[in-house]
Amino acid sequence: SYELTQPFSVSVALGQTARLTCGGNNIGTKNVHWYQQKPGQAPVLVIYRGTNRPSGIVERFSGSNSGNTATLTISRAQAGDEADYYCHVWDSSTGRVFGGGTKLTVL
Amino acid sequence: VQLVESGGGLVQPGGSLRLSCAASGFTFSSFWMTWVRQAPGKGLEWVANIKQDGSEKYYVDSVKGRFTISRDNAKSSLYLQMTSLRAEDTAVYYCTRDVYYADDDHCLDYWGQGTLVTVSS
Repeated sequence: SYELTQPFSVSVALGQTARLTCGGNNIGTKNVHWYQQKPGQAPVLVIYRGTNRPSGIVERFSGSNSGNTATLTISRAQAGDEADYYCHVWDSSTGRVFGGGTKLTVL
Repeated sequence: VQLVESGGGLVQPGGSLRLSCAASGFTFSSFWMTWVRQAPGKGLEWVANIKQDGSEKYYVDSVKGRFTISRDNAKSSLYLQMTSLRAEDTAVYYCTRDVYYADDDHCLDYWGQGTLVTVSS
């Protein structure tokens, strides 16, 4: 079955750039979606199909995907960006797969 | 777009529960729909999804034969019938709108606030 690997936690200084990774076998050939979940709230889609931002998501959020790693980049990190972030792909044999999530802390 | 789940609660192991999701703000019959759950303090897990007309349904292995996903397009509602519930089914269950792409990709673009299911004696 297909698996996605995310670091348990990432820390970033206020105003700096955070890079959250999602590892998977040849993930560069798949469409990766990213969700942000703040404490006590439902997840929110922040990047879909690798690089696209839904309406209402600020330009500070961007995505890339190549080889065995997809990356969610958050520029000029703010305190309000603190959340859990999940990557997600559709695999033809496994179905929907979520990564374990990364807790982002803004210092 | 609004998705409002209901039907969660406390149920004993082996019991049953039916979750509902009322959708509004979009043409419900045009979208796949998906249930995703999240156990306390854990990550997201896909549970089941259903095609626009209900002709295709898919389940995670752990719920096959116990859970049934269904929909009523006339009522813009999604359902999850859960039977033979186990402690490990304890989670917040989210109703999500599922966008299907021509290259066989799915994306969950809107989520409800979730309903908590607790399986305990």
